[in-house]
Amino acid sequence: AQSVAQPEDQVNVAEGNPLTVKCTYSVSGNPYLFWYVQYPNRGLQFLLKYITGDNLVKGSYGFEAEFNKSQTSFHLKKPSALVSDSALYFCAVRLTGSARQLTFGSGTQLTVLP
Amino acid sequence: GAVVSQHPSRVICKSGTSVKIECRSLDFQATTMFWYRQFPKQSLMLMATSNEGSKATYEQGVEKDKFLINHASLTLSTLTVTSAHPEDSSFYICSASVGSGITDTQYFGPGTRLTVL
Repeated sequence: AQSVAQPEDQVNVAEGNPLTVKCTYSVSGNPYLFWYVQYPNRGLQFLLKYITGDNLVKGSYGFEAEFNKSQTSFHLKKPSALVSDSALYFCAVRLTGSARQLTFGSGTQLTVLP
Repeated sequence: GAVVSQHPSRVICKSGTSVKIECRSLDFQATTMFWYRQFPKQSLMLMATSNEGSKATYEQGVEKDKFLINHASLTLSTLTVTSAHPEDSSFYICSASVGSGITDTQYFGPGTRLTVL
């Protein structure tokens, strides 16, 4: 069965510093990987996705993620964090051949300190 | 583009009543919509996949007679929580797929906070 893990419940980073939110996946085939962000009492906003091609994917709001097949990871990164980046971040995976359903990680609360 | 709306954003109801939640794709047509449930400080759990013009596909453990899903058009899916009870209180989020096939992207609505007294 496919799964995705976000090992950190909480990440704190100072404003202006680089941030990383970790995600690892476990699938038997080729994964399609997604990052979403959720602000309080709101739905999820799509940030970026990896389907194929370049391992470094650039997305919305200056975020990027690197697909690493050997480490089965898809970490979310941003060179310089903003206070407004503080939110709940979800990694998700869709398995090749699945019925378009997403499996979500447990979420990581990012707090950017001013 | 790819905006998904939900109505209502918040609803409070008495135990035993039914509540309908609407999910609309505003600027695109969605043959497939998804309904999720999210408990506080937890991830999203897929409840069902809604396909336009056909019956919804429910995930294991989700009661189809309690959570009625209708996808009557390419821009509207509804979730009706029938005979709601306090344990049904949750944050319900829908999503709609843009594109075709396995590489499409799901765009999410803002969610509906249901509180059953």
